[in-house]
Amino acid sequence: AQSVTQLDSQVPVFEEAPVELRCNYSSSVSVYLFWYVQYPNQGLQLLLKYLSGSTLVKGINGFEAEFNKSQTSFHLRKPSVHISDTAEYFCAVSGRRGNFNKFYFGSGTKLNVKP
Amino acid sequence: DAMVIQNPRYQVTQFGKPVTLSCSQTLNHNVMYWYQQKSSQAPKLLFHYYDKDFNNEADTPDNFQSRRPNTSFCFLDIRSPGLGDAAMYLCATSRARLAGKDTQYFGPGTRLTVL
Repeated sequence: AQSVTQLDSQVPVFEEAPVELRCNYSSSVSVYLFWYVQYPNQGLQLLLKYLSGSTLVKGINGFEAEFNKSQTSFHLRKPSVHISDTAEYFCAVSGRRGNFNKFYFGSGTKLNVKP
Repeated sequence: DAMVIQNPRYQVTQFGKPVTLSCSQTLNHNVMYWYQQKSSQAPKLLFHYYDKDFNNEADTPDNFQSRRPNTSFCFLDIRSPGLGDAAMYLCATSRARLAGKDTQYFGPGTRLTVL
C-alpha cells in the first residue's frame, strides 16, 4: 500500500531564506511522485513531478525536489522564498489500486513566508 | 487555455436541501475525479469516472452521487447535506486511468457552506 508522510504541518520562514519541505513515501511498486501547491480558496496546482530518470526535478516558481530511493524521500526545496510562496504544499504518490491509479496525498505543509 | 472549470465557486445551502456542484473540462481527458477537502486536511477521493464507468470509494457516503453526461461535464450531487459536509469540493481530471505517470489537473474548487 502507498502512503505519504509530510512531517511538518507548518513551516515559518523569512523572505529570501531557503526552505525545505519534507516528504517521505511508502510504496512497494514503481514510484511516481508529485508536489502540488494550494493557495487560499484555490485548487491544487502542479509544481513538479518525478516519473523516472534524473533524481533532481525542477518545477515552476523556482522550486525543485530530489527523489531519494534509499531514504524513500522526495523533499521540496527553494533557495530563496518570496512572500507570494505562502501557501499549502501537498506531496502525493501515485499508486495502482485495483483497476485504477489513485493519488495518495500527504496531510500538507503550510509555508508561511514572513517579510 | 485548456482547463478544469468548477461552478459555482461558492455555494451556500441549507441543512438537508439537495445541492449540485458542476465541473467541466476542455482537456478532453478520460478520467474525472471528485475530492472532498476539509480545512487543513488532504483532499479525500470520493469517486471517479473513467469515461462513463463510475467508481465509488468504499467509504464515500451514499449521500454523495455523481453524474457524467458526456466527456466534458461531471456533477456532484449531495442529496441531503449535513453540517459535516461543509468543505471544499475539488474536481480533477487525468488522461488515462492505468497510467501511473498521469498528472491530475485540478479545478479551482467549490466551497460549500451548510447552514
